[in-house]
Amino acid sequence: AQSVSQHNHHVILSEAASLELGCNYSYGGTVNLFWYVQYPGQHLQLLLKYFSGDPLVKGIKGFEAEFIKSKFSFNLRKPSVQWSDTAEYFCAVKTGGGADGLTFGKGTHLIIQP
Amino acid sequence: GAGVSQSPSNKVTEKGKDVELRCDPISGHTALYWYRQSLGQGLEFLIYFQGNSAPDKSGLPSDRFSAERTGGSVSTLTIQRTQQEDSAVYLCASSLTRDTGSLNEQFFGPGTRLTVL
Repeated sequence: AQSVSQHNHHVILSEAASLELGCNYSYGGTVNLFWYVQYPGQHLQLLLKYFSGDPLVKGIKGFEAEFIKSKFSFNLRKPSVQWSDTAEYFCAVKTGGGADGLTFGKGTHLIIQP
Repeated sequence: GAGVSQSPSNKVTEKGKDVELRCDPISGHTALYWYRQSLGQGLEFLIYFQGNSAPDKSGLPSDRFSAERTGGSVSTLTIQRTQQEDSAVYLCASSLTRDTGSLNEQFFGPGTRLTVL
């Protein structure tokens, strides 16, 4: 079965700092990759997704992620974070066959200090 | 509707009671998914429906959990004889299809927070 690892459970940054959240998955076949965000008191929202093509994908609010197949990674980046980016971030994988739900990482709680 | 809706938003119940959680997917979405979000386990996939059928129920935590979907739309997740470890946020999501590709993007509802006393 596939699994998703997010390396950082808690990250604290100051505004304007650069962000990179790690995500690795274990599955050798075709994957769809996602980053979801959950702002305090709100439901899960899609930040960005990768299905095929250009491995560098851009999402909402200035976020981007790069799919590196050889490293089984899909790290999330943002060059300059804002206080409003404080949230829980989840990496998720959907595989081409078998169980059709998303497999999520444990999440990274990001706190941006003003 | 505009998005996935779930009811109730909060449910407090006593241990041993049965509860029923409801999900109303985005109109036209054929695939529907249930997840559970808890402190210790993170986000776990429970079950999905393609139309009214659920081909794989192995993600359900125990035989106290069941789910159904009627008319290819609304789904209910039922937990019988609730236990304290069932306390969690139960999330529902829907997508246009269950296949790979951009059409399978899942849209999540706000969740039902279940507390078992």
